[in-house]
Amino acid sequence: QQPVQSPQAVILREGEDAVINCSSSKALYSVHWYRQKHGEAPIFLMILLKGGEQKGHDKISASFNEKKQQSSLYLTASQLSYSGTYFCGTPETGGTSYGKLTFGQGTILTVHP
Amino acid sequence: GAGVSQSPSNKVTEKGKDVELRCDPISGHTALYWYRQSLGQGLEFLIYFQGNSAPDKSGLPSDRFSAERTGGSVSTLTIQRTQQEDSAVYLCASSLQGSGGTQYFGPGTRLLVL
Repeated sequence: QQPVQSPQAVILREGEDAVINCSSSKALYSVHWYRQKHGEAPIFLMILLKGGEQKGHDKISASFNEKKQQSSLYLTASQLSYSGTYFCGTPETGGTSYGKLTFGQGTILTVHP
Repeated sequence: GAGVSQSPSNKVTEKGKDVELRCDPISGHTALYWYRQSLGQGLEFLIYFQGNSAPDKSGLPSDRFSAERTGGSVSTLTIQRTQQEDSAVYLCASSLQGSGGTQYFGPGTRLLVL
């Protein structure tokens, strides 16, 4: 079952903040966040494994809610380099499963000067 | 260090021809994944390899699609009798092991079927 991302697109000016959500109707085992720039490969941002977990580096962080049905990606003081399409991916099963990811439809983030 | 590499980077072919796409995973990564991304769309899972075995081929769209992996390393995705709807970017990813760890993507092969 494909996770649902919102919003589909967001336009920011440099320095503004954004939140991208990834949700599912059932509990998620983990959430993987990637960013893809036009014409390039998706780049790994972070994984959240536990309900209630929060992670971040630089000005990009993410949370995974307690019920493990939603994750949010937070971009603060956005930079031009943040522009791209953000995807969340989730494995279908947990434990020692192989980790095939089902991705959301993506959120297009555009940062203007 | 070397990342995942794919070749060719671009491929233009005529409808009905066969194509082969190659993926070189990161050395030591036992898990390898193929995804497809159509224009403006998300990532669609095709097939997963653990070593040389493919325990999950559920994403292959039809029997025109096949893939193999040899020596636990290089993988080839073959599309026979290509159709225009096969046009997409084909992405390969590898991970250290297939248990939900980070997947590292290659640059993709952009396939255009005329």
